[in-house]
Amino acid sequence: GAVVSQHPSRVICKSGTSVKIECRSLDFQATTMFWYRQFPKKSLMLMATSNEGSKATYEQGVEKDKFLINHASLTLSTLTVTSAHPEDSSFYICSARAPAGVYLGTDTQYFGPGTRLTVL
Amino acid sequence: AQTVTQSQPEMSVQEAETVTLSCTYDTSESNYYLFWYKQPPSRQMILVIRQEAYKQQNATENRFSVNFQKAAKSFSLKISDSQLGDTAMYFCAFMKPAGGGGADGLTFGKGTHLIIQP
Repeated sequence: GAVVSQHPSRVICKSGTSVKIECRSLDFQATTMFWYRQFPKKSLMLMATSNEGSKATYEQGVEKDKFLINHASLTLSTLTVTSAHPEDSSFYICSARAPAGVYLGTDTQYFGPGTRLTVL
Repeated sequence: AQTVTQSQPEMSVQEAETVTLSCTYDTSESNYYLFWYKQPPSRQMILVIRQEAYKQQNATENRFSVNFQKAAKSFSLKISDSQLGDTAMYFCAFMKPAGGGGADGLTFGKGTHLIIQP
């Protein structure tokens, strides 16, 4: 249980294009999902909190117009990197918060396998 | 704001030995969660163990256990009978409960690279 998928696993795009990354909770409903960014050999940094049916909450310093987040259903959140540039190249990881009574307990976050974005 | 500190960038032990990874944190919250996540070379984040701050009893999951010292704001992870498959980055993380106000994403430490030698 508590499986989260992410698609695509790798994407290479040209500078100036937009890229969409999907995050799905496969066996539970997640009202809240999170997007993190990880640079090589570094820790994960929270980018934004995605709540189903409402606007995402972005962390300080994260451009909301560049990183568009849509949480259209209880099992799907998407991150769109708009007008991507080489400095956006990174490893993007989503997580989904399990509801009360599920798996190891309330508020535990389960992670997708990540998406490696390379912008040329 | 919360901070999480992992002071050991890298550790190496022999297979079957016991190893302890340290983690300290700083917060003004009284209720929160602490986690240890493992990230192997595949980069998939795997939950190792979870601790609720209001529980005095230390969490255990098979070979993994924690030493949670709330007053000292310390949350170390002990791995017993270490195995080659335990080789990975280990991240300590802090989170406020949902609805507690403010962001409730995870705040991570910088990680400890654990290497289990055969």
